[in-house]
Amino acid sequence: NAGVMQNPRHLVRRRGQEARLRCSPMKGHSHVYWYRQLPEEGLKFMVYLQKENIIDESGMPKERFSAEFPKEGPSILRIQQVVRGDSAAYFCASSPMRDGTGNTIYFGEGSWLTVV
Amino acid sequence: QKEVEQNSGPLSVPEGAIASLNCTYSDRGSQSFFWYRQYSGKSPELIMFIYSNGDKEDGRFTAQLNKASQYVSLLIRDSQPSDSATYLCAVPRIIQGAQKLVFGQGTRLTINP
Repeated sequence: NAGVMQNPRHLVRRRGQEARLRCSPMKGHSHVYWYRQLPEEGLKFMVYLQKENIIDESGMPKERFSAEFPKEGPSILRIQQVVRGDSAAYFCASSPMRDGTGNTIYFGEGSWLTVV
Repeated sequence: QKEVEQNSGPLSVPEGAIASLNCTYSDRGSQSFFWYRQYSGKSPELIMFIYSNGDKEDGRFTAQLNKASQYVSLLIRDSQPSDSATYLCAVPRIIQGAQKLVFGQGTRLTINP
């Protein structure tokens, strides 16, 4: 049973470019969470999605960031016009149920974005 | 006040000693608590969770919860160099009927051979 798959694992973008991060949840999981981890900091919740629905985006910056989880295919976190402050590790997690707590949530290996 | 607070460290402990990691939380209604271990450049890995006041032991790890003091800790006995990592405390929050995790900033632990 494959785990949560994220790609790319490492991404370098110049300021002003777009970054697209993809997350395929574990088989049978329909709940996806995105977290961001800035250097030397803990993980910060960004957005929670179910298939075709954004349930909670309270942690998403108001501009340039968007997320989707289509009926078919992976969840995508999109960052437009990247700036150096977007450099971080972005972790996706999936859960088989609404209760995405520690013992039912599974993290991917992360995508490391570097903006130069 | 942050929802979940940890000392960022670094915490340095000699091999074989007990490492003690602490976490405080602000919401008295919190019911469950999770400890994650994160190696550099890797994703967080769940190592312990605790719901009830008192101690919960799993191998060399013991989680301690004191709800009255809003305090949860993680003890690592017989520390090994492989325990060197950042340890993250996390508390679930319910949003629109679904739970998300709120993390502390993490404590960096180094075990010295």
